[in-house]
Amino acid sequence: ETVLTQSPGTLSLSPGERATLSCRASQRISSSSLGWYQHKPGQPPRLLIYGASSRAAGVPDRFSGSGSGTDFTLTISRLEPEDFAVYYCQQYGTSSWTFGQGTKVEVK
Amino acid sequence: EVQLLESGGSLVQPGGSLRLSCGASGFTFSNYAMSWVRQAPGKGLEWVSSISDSGSGTYHAASVRGRFTVSRDNSESTLYLQMNTLRVDDTAVYYCAKVGGRTPAGPFPLDFWGQGTLVTVSS
Repeated sequence: ETVLTQSPGTLSLSPGERATLSCRASQRISSSSLGWYQHKPGQPPRLLIYGASSRAAGVPDRFSGSGSGTDFTLTISRLEPEDFAVYYCQQYGTSSWTFGQGTKVEVK
Repeated sequence: EVQLLESGGSLVQPGGSLRLSCGASGFTFSNYAMSWVRQAPGKGLEWVSSISDSGSGTYHAASVRGRFTVSRDNSESTLYLQMNTLRVDDTAVYYCAKVGGRTPAGPFPLDFWGQGTLVTVSS
């Protein structure tokens, strides 16, 4: 099983700042099989990024994904009030999927 | 508009059984794989089960293998999760999610999610 480790656990930032979230895999995964989700309380998770760097439909361009091999990054260029949430990476390259433990982006 | 509506969550005793359902609309259900993902209180997301578009391929996380069974009825556009021998640590919100392709074994993310249904396992 591929373990995904996200860091930091919590990111305290102000609106307008840049957020950089990391996802490290325990073994190499295909870039086409790495996604990022946003999850707010009381709502279902929302797909933001798939294939490591492709934005899902309707996702603002302040969200971007990058990385390959075992190291992947989600960047939010300028935080908007609605971006404060928990973010999860997920690998879906095999029939056994895993999620990272999540990074909470909170208001400083 | 894609809609996924879970139902069937409730309070059940340890060792009991429950069947969750997920009604789908707004897309051709039989063309897409589907999955269940759960979130225990105060915890992160955990993949539970997936099923291919035809239902011929099913996959389960090690934590539920042998106890949970995913299935689907394409004629009714409905996804199911049969949960047996429930344990306290199965307590969670269970989300139904649409896979972006025909098989869970391909590089397709979860592109739409339902609102979730709460399962509580307690005596």
